Amino acid sequence: DVVMTQSPLSLPVTPGEPASISCRSSQSLLHRNGYTYLAWYLQKPGQSPQLLIYLTSYRASGVPDRFSGSGSGTDFTLKISRVEAEDVGVYYCMQVVHTPVTFGQGTRLDIK
Amino acid sequence: EVQLVESGGGLVQPGGSLKLSCAASGFSFRSFWMTWVRQAPGKGLEWVASIKEDGSEKIYVDSVKGRFTIFRDNAENSLYLQMNSLTVEDTAVYYCAKPESGAYDKWGQGTLVTVSS
Repeated sequence: DVVMTQSPLSLPVTPGEPASISCRSSQSLLHRNGYTYLAWYLQKPGQSPQLLIYLTSYRASGVPDRFSGSGSGTDFTLKISRVEAEDVGVYYCMQVVHTPVTFGQGTRLDIK
Repeated sequence: EVQLVESGGGLVQPGGSLKLSCAASGFSFRSFWMTWVRQAPGKGLEWVASIKEDGSEKIYVDSVKGRFTIFRDNAENSLYLQMNSLTVEDTAVYYCAKPESGAYDKWGQGTLVTVSS
C-alpha cells in the first residue's frame, strides 16, 4: 500500500499567520494520464471531511483562496496564507492513484 | 444540491452483521463510482470499498475482504454496505462519498457502527 506521511502532526498557529503542511507518498502519484491525484481535506470538529484541494493544486468549489496546494511526484504541500479561526480541525492528504486509496494520518491545526 | 444520507448504523455484537445504506440525491448517481470511507473513534480516515457505476466492479481494503459487500441500486439512487463477521476493529463512523476529478467532493454525515459485547 502507498503510505502517506504528513508533517507536522500538530500545528498551533496564530491567527493571521501562514501555515504549511507537508505530505509525502511512498510512491509517485503521477498517473499515466499526466494528472497527479493528490487531494487535501479538512475535517472540522464534529463534521464530515470537506474537500479543499484536488489534483494537487485545484481549489474545490467555495474554498477560500488563502488555501493553496502544490507539489509533484511524492512531495506535496498545503499552504494557508493567513490562518483564520474557522480553519481549525484536522487536515488529511489522500491519494487515489494506487489501490487501496490511502490517507495521511492527519495534521491537527489549532489556534494559539 | 448534492446530498448523501447514511443510515443503518448501530450497536452489534462481535460476529454479527449490519447493513448500511446511503441515499443519494442531487446528481446522476448512476454515473459515478461510489465509495465507503470509515473513521474509528479518534482516528484517521480509512477507505473501505468502492463500486463502479453499473456495479460490475468492486474493490475493497484487505481488512474487510470476504466480510463486507458493497452494492448499489441505481433505480433507487442508493449505495449499500453489507457487513458480516464484524469485529471490534470495525467500530467506526462510516461515510459514503461521491468522487469528482480524482477526489471525494461530497460526503455524507456518517453513520456510527459500534461492535461490542
